[in-house]
Parts: sequence; structure tokens; C-alpha cells
Amino acid sequence: EADIYQTPRYLVIGTGKKITLECSQTMGHDKMYWYQQDPGMELHLIHYSYGVNSTEKGDLSSESTVSRIRTEHFPLTLESARPSHTSQYLCASSDQGRLGDTQYFGPGTRLTVL
Amino acid sequence: SQQGEEDPQALSIQEGENATMNCSYKTSINNLQWYRQNSGRGLVHLILIRSNEREKHSGRLRVTLDTSKKSSSLLITASRAADTASYFCATALSGGYQKVTFGTGTKLQVIP
Repeated sequence: EADIYQTPRYLVIGTGKKITLECSQTMGHDKMYWYQQDPGMELHLIHYSYGVNSTEKGDLSSESTVSRIRTEHFPLTLESARPSHTSQYLCASSDQGRLGDTQYFGPGTRLTVL
Repeated sequence: SQQGEEDPQALSIQEGENATMNCSYKTSINNLQWYRQNSGRGLVHLILIRSNEREKHSGRLRVTLDTSKKSSSLLITASRAADTASYFCATALSGGYQKVTFGTGTKLQVIP
């Protein structure tokens, strides 16, 4: 069982609200990721981080933002949620320094924007 | 388009049968990984095979890699109902950039 946690697990919220999805890991991993996944579909990388104060945008354009102030914490924020943001958001972490290293995933947050 | 594409998209088999899933990719890779995702949950890493390896085993899992055909297969032997999940391949590209790209996934249903 991976030591990576996401809260909340489920969130139903109205349009225009600001939300923050939390992700934390206790493995001391430098690299962390956020993926967006629609039901039954592939994962799309939306943000990643190589370490503290490092954040990069992924392959899929996203209106969300991330921060990495502490190694263990990688929150994702939507300033103004819209129905198009409805999806599952998966957080993952991995060791830095090895090409294609194994990623450890959290349980995900299922977001519904009404 | 996706770096990795799995086929079939969905597979339904009886418990005890073997399940084979295939993954094709487009560019040179450093390694290829297989992950499992139970419905509505995060992904769990199953196995990693490096570009200089041709076959790897882990319990009931057997993975092959053919870099000349840019393809990999995942075989689950003696399947169980608990193997019901989606299976994704993930490729780490050559060139030093540490990014992993996930495929489209195969949904496996094992009928008791």
C-alpha cells in the first residue's frame, strides 16, 4: 500500500467556487504528479513537480494551478470551478533520479461541478 | 496521439483462463511499465521491463517487450475474479526526460 493520500475523495460543488484538492505523501519522493482521468478513459498529465518550488505544466492544458512548498505536499487549486472540470483527479509520486521510475498513486478525488 | 495504445479495449474471460493484453507505442523508450486500476481508484504498479529486456515474470504476470515492433504484452495466467480491473501500459521515453506516458487502457472482466 502506497503512502500517498488525497482529500477529499469525493467533492460535489457549484459553479464558480474555488476548490483545493489535497495530496500528500510520506515517502520522501521528490517528484509528484497530477493526472486528470475521465471515467473509463486514459490518464492525462496536467501538472508535475521535480521538487520543492518546482512546478511544470503537463501534456493536457488545465485551468488549475499547483504549488510545492513542502516535499510531501502538492495541492491543486481551481480558482473558479466549472462543469467542464468534472473528472477524477489522481495524484502520484516517484523517486527522482531514475528514468521512468515507478509511480505511486493516491486513491483519487472524484470532482463533480454542478 | 497517445504514445501507448492498448488492445483490446475490453476483454471478458472466465475465471481460470489466461488474459493477454497488448500495448503498442510510437517512439523509442527506456522502459515500459504496466499498472492496474480498480474501478474508481488510483493505479497500482505491477511490473517494469527495461528496453534491453525481452521478458519478465512476477507471480502470475508475464510481460514481453519487442522493441523492434514497439510493442509489449501482459499475460495474466489462471485469472481470478479479483483481477477484474483496467490495465494500463506506461512508457518512459528515451532521451533523458523523465516523463511517463500512459496508454489508453484495457478493461478486463473475469467472470467467476
